[in-house]
Amino acid sequence: GQQVMQIPQYQHVQEGEDFTTYCNSSTTLSNIQWYKQRPGGHPVFLIQLVKSGEVKKQKRLTFQFGEAKKNSSLHITATQTTDVGTYFCAGPFSNTGKLIFGQGTTLQVKP
Amino acid sequence: SQTIHQWPATLVQPVGSPLSLECTVEGTSNPNLYWYRQAAGRGLQLLFYSVGIGQISSEVPQNLSASRPQDRQFILSSKKLLLSDSGFYLCAWTGGTHAGELFFGEGSRLTVL
Repeated sequence: GQQVMQIPQYQHVQEGEDFTTYCNSSTTLSNIQWYKQRPGGHPVFLIQLVKSGEVKKQKRLTFQFGEAKKNSSLHITATQTTDVGTYFCAGPFSNTGKLIFGQGTTLQVKP
Repeated sequence: SQTIHQWPATLVQPVGSPLSLECTVEGTSNPNLYWYRQAAGRGLQLLFYSVGIGQISSEVPQNLSASRPQDRQFILSSKKLLLSDSGFYLCAWTGGTHAGELFFGEGSRLTVL
């Protein structure tokens, strides 16, 4: 079936280091969304990418959508302790349009 | 502005007992509504979605059921809970199409003992 895979599952970094999580879909996506879930909280929408090769930035966060619209990445520059949480990518699948989430990447930042 | 409320926030239930989780959305009409489950340290699994009153689609066979008695109310139920039903249940809504941004409730943490 259609799947969205994310790697790595966990990442521990020292504060100030960079962090990247990668997302791969088994099929071409019309768009991809990214969410952040703080420990004990609920997922919160970060951004949506629609165009092939699109790059968007939010302060220290850079989001990319692959040329084939099957993969995406989230890069955080100079991590801070406030970046701690689990980052999910999600894509709608063509036959239903419903959002399917990746397994998430949990980021720990050591101060 | 739109808000989503979900309750109860936490519950501990014995195996075999019934379950009812409620979710309501305010400030919008005819939303698409979703129930997701998140097992400890895992991703989000879509359980049910609804595009209108009385219209429920199930994503995975399981011990749970969902109902939408009113436009902005979504209920997750079980007649007899299993240990494997433990998890973090999240209600979410989106306006327009399925492919839009999801707005999640605060979640309900269920422990089945």
